[in-house]
Amino acid sequence: KQEVTQIPAALSVPEGENLVLNCSFTDSAIYNLQWFRQDPGKGLTSLLLIQSSQREQTSGRLNASLDKSSGRSTLYIAASQPGDSATYLCAAPTSNDYKLSFGAGTTVTVRA
Amino acid sequence: DTEVTQTPKHLVMGMTNKKSLKCEQHMGHRAMYWYKQKAKKPPELMFVYSYEKLSINESVPSRFSPECPNSSLLNLHLHALQPEDSALYLCASSRGDDSYEQYFGPGTRLTVT
Repeated sequence: KQEVTQIPAALSVPEGENLVLNCSFTDSAIYNLQWFRQDPGKGLTSLLLIQSSQREQTSGRLNASLDKSSGRSTLYIAASQPGDSATYLCAAPTSNDYKLSFGAGTTVTVRA
Repeated sequence: DTEVTQTPKHLVMGMTNKKSLKCEQHMGHRAMYWYKQKAKKPPELMFVYSYEKLSINESVPSRFSPECPNSSLLNLHLHALQPEDSALYLCASSRGDDSYEQYFGPGTRLTVT
């Protein structure tokens, strides 16, 4: 069974600093890994999906990397802004099916 | 259109009421999901429909009853809920083939009194 961990649980940075969010997973036979953003009381917004054959994926200020051998994915957010304040979750399917294993999330606060 | 819609946004119901949550997507996705999320926790999978058939039920109590009338629509029927069922209920969809990227709706905030 895929187990996903996110550390730290919370992070506070000044505006303009680059954000580095970590996600660890136990099963290196990962199919893909998805990063989400969640604002309080809202649904999840898909940010990036990295297929197992990819090493990284980029969208604007966001860059996600995947290292299957070490069981890690990292989400980089460049030049953080107060609007980036949210909870970020990573998730990976449990082998080749529909179930996603979620990390507990990292809550980010960007101070103006 | 990459949108999953959910209605209502908020729902307050008594323990003897019957109500339904609705989810809709028009992306041609063939897999649809219900999740329950408690405060400060990740979403927990409840049900998965694949090609309009129930494929996963995560041992959810029978007071929650899912229904998939067609490939675009997913309902969750609620009856005799308990206060501990109060949570954010999220719907999601994915293509249903070997792409498991999930798209989530905004959720329904349910309060059981």
